[in-house]
Parts: sequence; C-alpha cells; structure tokens
Amino acid sequence: EAGVTQFPSHSVIEKGQTVTLRCDPISGHDNLYWYRRVMGKEIKFLLHFVKESKQDESGMPNNRFLAERTGGTYSTLKVQPAELEDSGVYFCASSSPHSDSYNEQFFGPGTRLTVL
Amino acid sequence: AQKITQTQPGMFVQEKEAVTLDCTYDTSDPSYGLFWYKQPSSGEMIFLIYQGSYDQQNATEGRYSLNFQKARKSANLVISASQLGDSAMYFCAMRERTGGFKTIFGAGTRLFVKA
Repeated sequence: EAGVTQFPSHSVIEKGQTVTLRCDPISGHDNLYWYRRVMGKEIKFLLHFVKESKQDESGMPNNRFLAERTGGTYSTLKVQPAELEDSGVYFCASSSPHSDSYNEQFFGPGTRLTVL
Repeated sequence: AQKITQTQPGMFVQEKEAVTLDCTYDTSDPSYGLFWYKQPSSGEMIFLIYQGSYDQQNATEGRYSLNFQKARKSANLVISASQLGDSAMYFCAMRERTGGFKTIFGAGTRLFVKA
C-alpha cells in the first residue's frame, strides 16, 4: 500500500512568488491534515479536511495560505504571495475514515519550502 | 504555554545501550493521547508508539516503551538496545479529546547513536 506522498520534495522561490504544494493521502483515507515546521520550532497544525470539507482550519496562519481538496482525494496548499517567514517543512498526513482523534495519522515525507 | 516540552535538543547514546527521551505535557483535558514519532534524515515521520490517558499499562512496541507518569504529566520514550539506525529526530506529540484531530508536537530531540 502506497503511503502519503507529497510533491515537490523541495521548492525554492523568491519572496512574493506563488507556490503550490500537493499531497496525495493514502487511498481511502477521508481525513487529511496539513502541518508545518518552521526553522527550529515545533511542528504546527494548519488544518484538517474530512473528504473535501475543512473540518478545522484554526492553524492557518493568514489569508496568504489557501488549502483545497476538491473531490476529496488529493489536496493542495497554495501560498500567495510567499514571505520569508513561510520557509519551513510542510507535512501532510492522513487517517482512515474510521478514525477517532486517537488513531494514527500517517505522515508524508514533507515539502521543504525555502523563500529567498 | 507550551503544551509539549522536550528539554533535550540532542542526545548521544552508545550502540546497544538504552536511552530515555524526555517529554512532559500540559493539558486540562482528562482525555488525551500521547504519541512518539521518529523522523530520520530522509524526512518522513514514522509513528512509533501511542499511550492513552486512561491506559493503565505503559505502552510497549518492540524496543520502544513509553514511561507514562500521569501525575507528573510525563511521557518519556525509552529505546532499548540502541541501533545505529535509531539516529534520528524524535517528536513527542499529543491529541486532546477537546482538540479533535489536531496533533500538538514538541520541539523534538535529535538522537545520535555511536558505534
């Protein structure tokens, strides 16, 4: 069974540009999460999808970030315009439709974003 | 306030010895789960072990065990018989019942296993 995949693995962009990160969850996982780790700090929750609906987006830092999950399969996270402080590693995770809050979330390898 | 505190930024351990990675947490929710994840240099986050707040026994998974001391709000990870492949970043994390599916992470501890 394929795990959570993320694309690209690395992205280097200039301040003010737009970047779109993609996450493909494990097949059949209705729950999809985005997290990020900025340099030297904790991994922080960004948002949670159940299928195509945003269940919790309390961690989204500001309106420069837009997450979508059209069709309830893969998800994209767009940063527009990117700022220097957006640099970090963005993780995606997924969990099964039978999850309660304790069930294992399977993480992808992350996308390392560098904003110059 | 920090919800998850990992006070050891880096740890060294000799191969084949045991090592304890510290984690303390803060919550007022009586129902919560505690997790440990491993992040090797390749970047992926690997789930290691889970402890529920109502679990009476300490969780164990192979060479990993979680030393759960509820009154102290402590959830230390013990790795027995360390191997070179255990060198990685280790994150302690928590999910609170009132927090839904949101995982709260500590800052991590980097473990170096010496041959």
